[in-house]
This record gives sequence, structure tokens and C-alpha cells, in this order.
Amino acid sequence: TQLLEQSPQFLSIQEGENLTVYCNSSSVFSSLQWYRQEPGEGPVLLVTVVTGGEVKKLKRLTFQFGDARKDSSLHITAAQPGDTGLYLCAGSALKTSYDKVIFGPGTSLSVIP
Amino acid sequence: NAGVTQTPKFQVLKTGQSMTLQCAQDMNHEYMSWYRQDPGMGLRLIHYSVGAGITDQGEVPNGYNVSRSTTEDFPLRLLSAAPSQTSVYFCASRRTASSYNSPLHFGNGTRLTVT
Repeated sequence: TQLLEQSPQFLSIQEGENLTVYCNSSSVFSSLQWYRQEPGEGPVLLVTVVTGGEVKKLKRLTFQFGDARKDSSLHITAAQPGDTGLYLCAGSALKTSYDKVIFGPGTSLSVIP
Repeated sequence: NAGVTQTPKFQVLKTGQSMTLQCAQDMNHEYMSWYRQDPGMGLRLIHYSVGAGITDQGEVPNGYNVSRSTTEDFPLRLLSAAPSQTSVYFCASRRTASSYNSPLHFGNGTRLTVT
């Protein structure tokens, strides 16, 4: 059974601070996605990483896929209240199959003005 | 663009009642799926479909049925509701059957309470 763990589970920070959330597994993934979910809505894709060691930037958000494709991190620089939400990582195991995407439990981020 | 549309947004059922959660997508996506989201447990896959007429079970299928008669629609049926089915349900679709580099598009969820 493949599992994805996320840490921390909860994070409350002041506006302007930096933070990093982690997504870890003992399994290798062919691709990994990060989603953000706001209250009352469904998750929305932020980024997909597919190559070991890959780094992608989305404004103040930096995503990294581990060299072994078993882990990933999301770093937010100068957090803003609009960054508040639940951050979910999701891994895809195989490149060609009806494989099922596995979700981590999420990191709930609260950015205080 | 409507994307993925779920109805209803909220529902309260008594134990033993049945109901159908509706899901429709207008993106001509091949793959559709149902997840439930519970605190601290993330999103768990209930059932999925890789095309019209093809469905399969996910991690937590017991107590739920699905069908896919058209590309656009993927309803989820609760046969006899139980309190353990109290949850938020999300329908999600993606362009291809393979998940590789093909992200999921989610609806806004149905919050179900079973008393």
C-alpha cells in the first residue's frame, strides 16, 4: 500500500514569514502534484513535478521533487493571508495505467495579517 | 466554463435512506472519480471510471454504487445511508485515463450528514 505523509499537519504564521511543507513517501512516484483547497471548495492544482530533482516556481511558491522521486517540498516566501488554505500533495505511481492518484492528508496553513 | 458540477451542495439523510449525488463535467474528460474527504484522512478514492460503460472500485467502495452511461455524467449512489458515510464528497475528472501528468479537476463538493 502506498502512503503519502505530510508535515506539518497544521501551521499558523504571521504575514511576511517564510515556510516549508513536506510530502514524503517510501514509494517512488512517476509524477507528483500539489493542490490548494479553500473552505467550501474543491482542490485546485498548483503544480505538477515529474523529474527527480525538478524545481518549479509559481510566484512566491517554490516546489521541489526529490532526486529519488519519493518526496517533495513546497516553500512559500513572504506568506500572505491569501495563501491560507489546505495544501495537498498527490502522487501518481505509474506512467501508463489506470492508476489511482494517492493523496496525502494535507497541511492546513493559516496566515495571520 | 462550468468544469465539474456537483449537486446538491448539502444533504441530510436519515440512516437507511438512499440518495444519488450528481456529477457532470463539460470538458470531454475520459476519467472521472469520486472521493470522500474526512478530517485528518485526506481524500480517499471511492470509485472511478476510465470511460463510458467502465467503472472500478477505489479504496473505500463499500456502500456506494456508480455507473457511467455517458462521458459527461458520473452519479454516486448511496444504497442505505449509514452515519459512517457522513463526509464531504468530491467528484473529480481528468483528461486521460492515465494519471501521468494529467491533473484532476474537482467539483466544489457535497457535504453529506447521516443522522
